Amino acid sequence: DVKVTQSSRYLVKRTGEKVFLECVQDMDHENMFWYRQDPGLGLRLIYFSYDVKMKEKGDIPEGYSVSREKKERFSLILESASTNQTSMYLCASSSRTSGLDEQYFGPGTRLTVT
Amino acid sequence: AQSVAQPEDQVNVAEGNPLTVKCTYSVSGNPYLFWYVQYPNRGLQFLLKYITGDNLVKGSYGFEAEFNKSQTSFHLKKPSALVSDSALYFCAVRDIRNSGYSTLTFGKGTMLLVSP
Repeated sequence: DVKVTQSSRYLVKRTGEKVFLECVQDMDHENMFWYRQDPGLGLRLIYFSYDVKMKEKGDIPEGYSVSREKKERFSLILESASTNQTSMYLCASSSRTSGLDEQYFGPGTRLTVT
Repeated sequence: AQSVAQPEDQVNVAEGNPLTVKCTYSVSGNPYLFWYVQYPNRGLQFLLKYITGDNLVKGSYGFEAEFNKSQTSFHLKKPSALVSDSALYFCAVRDIRNSGYSTLTFGKGTMLLVSP
């Protein structure tokens, strides 16, 4: 089975802190994605990566950055956390070579910024 | 950009009754459509997808979806609902970015509540 793991299930940070959310997948997938999920807004794409050291902005990249130094790991960085970044963050991966576009999701990290 | 709409925030159905969760899409070209389910405090799980071929797609847990090109719809269905089907359901469509790489664009989700 494809497994996507995220470093924390719950995280509480203070405004202005630098926050790292880590995601690891074990299926050798080329593509990895970060979403945030908010009630009534569904999932919105923050950033994605289609290869090591490659990244592309999604629909709501402001206030976020990402890092992909290894194929299996994709990190989301909040440079200076703000209360409006309180949300559920979901990581996903998919195989580009399969052409199927089916994404596999991690369990999510619920981040609270106070 | 491609988009999907889920017109219902919540769907209520009694156990044993058929269920339908609605999704309409807006795309240029041929749509690649997906359904995902999210159980409480869990990540999203893939249910099924439509790429081409038969308009009725069968997926996990007894779910199926009907692709209707003329109505631009991809409704999720199940003949007999279970209480354990209660969850948040997302419709999604493949989107090709300017870079040429593909992503998924999700709807806002529909909460399905199945009563005993």
